[in-house]
Amino acid sequence: RKEVEQDPGPFNVPEGATVAFNCTYSNSASQSFFWYRQDCRKEPKLLMSVYSSGNEDGRFTAQLNRASQYISLLIRDSKLSDSATYLCVVTPHGGGGADGLTFGKGTHLIIQP
Amino acid sequence: GAGVSQSPRYKVAKRGQDVALRCDPISGHVSLFWYQQALGQGPEFLTYFQNEAQLDKSGLPSDRFFAERPEGSVSTLKIQRTQQEDSAVYLCASSFVGLGFEETQYFGPGTRLLVL
Repeated sequence: RKEVEQDPGPFNVPEGATVAFNCTYSNSASQSFFWYRQDCRKEPKLLMSVYSSGNEDGRFTAQLNRASQYISLLIRDSKLSDSATYLCVVTPHGGGGADGLTFGKGTHLIIQP
Repeated sequence: GAGVSQSPRYKVAKRGQDVALRCDPISGHVSLFWYQQALGQGPEFLTYFQNEAQLDKSGLPSDRFFAERPEGSVSTLKIQRTQQEDSAVYLCASSFVGLGFEETQYFGPGTRLLVL
């Protein structure tokens, strides 16, 4: 079983719609959780960290469910520029700065005009 | 300011050839990471440096892979006797401190390696 699992998609969503994806992780000792965004043929970039209390950044909301070992990302009022691959990321210990990140395969999102 | 840079951006190698991939982290960043990203997959961790010390090399797929960071800044990932399965994008990332606190890793553009 992969450590981090995501539905690869693609998710085809009309502009302005709300879309959500989940990700499950297998290591119950995982401490830190992130969503990264990767555009085609570009490097991954941090979208947002995911906290136990949930967090929101503009149109993006991330949630963590430790009991069920999954994290989610919700995008409201989707824009064409949101089209990308969204990578779910976990680390075994306290932070991403001292640990190699464990990535899921990514969920491919396509926003259609 | 300047981000993480990698060179070359593209490398085509014949099977059996040795290659060296370079990473220049953000100035002052203590931690440096190498990842391998195969087509259609997420990046996979290869190795981690804190300054010049290689603290984790558990992700290196074989003894043909070797990484160094002799002066705690620039790092080189070397692949000896390349095989076709080594074809991937090799990503370098750096972060400011490695104290176990949450710290963003900044990625370079990657080196796209194709082994023929």
